[in-house]
Amino acid sequence: AQSVTQPDIHITVSEGASLELRCNYSYGATPYLFWYVQSPGQGLQLLLKYFSGDTLVQGIKGFEAEFKRSQSSFNLRKPSVHWSDAAEYFCAVRSGGSNYKLTFGKGTLLTVNP
Amino acid sequence: GAGVSQSPSNKVTEKGKDVELRCDPISGHTALYWYRQSLGQGLEFLIYFQGNSAPDKSGLPSDRFSAERTGGSVSTLTIQRTQQEDSAVYLCASSPRAGGRTGELFFGEGSRLTVL
Repeated sequence: AQSVTQPDIHITVSEGASLELRCNYSYGATPYLFWYVQSPGQGLQLLLKYFSGDTLVQGIKGFEAEFKRSQSSFNLRKPSVHWSDAAEYFCAVRSGGSNYKLTFGKGTLLTVNP
Repeated sequence: GAGVSQSPSNKVTEKGKDVELRCDPISGHTALYWYRQSLGQGLEFLIYFQGNSAPDKSGLPSDRFSAERTGGSVSTLTIQRTQQEDSAVYLCASSPRAGGRTGELFFGEGSRLTVL
């Protein structure tokens, strides 16, 4: 069965610093990978996704993620964090074919210090 | 509205009572999902509907949980004889079509359930 691990429960960074949120997945074939963000009191919003092709994908709000098959990872990055990026971030995986269920990690809470 | 609408936004109930949570997906979206978000547990898949196909109920935690989707649109998640461990935020999501390669789910803001 597919699974997602986000090793960091809570990360604190200073505004303007770079950010990397880790995500490792478990799935036999090439997965479909996603990052979602949840701001306080809000629903989840898609930041970016990887299906195939270029392993470095760009998303909204200046985020990017890199798919590394050898490491089973899909880490999210941002070169310079803004205070408005404070939120919870979820990595998710979906298998191909007819299984449309997304499996989510437990999330990483990001705090941004001024 | 243009987004996924869920009601109620907050529900407080007593242990043993039944509750119904409603989801109104984005118009035209054929796929509908329910997830449960508990503190520190991430999002737990509950059930998935796609058009007229039989739903994928593999994530429902017990037979106290059920869901239906009427007319391929609005969905209701019912929890019978609620327990304190049912306290969570219940999230509904829809997507344009199953099999589509966007893979994006559009989430509502959730229904927060508190069982006393």
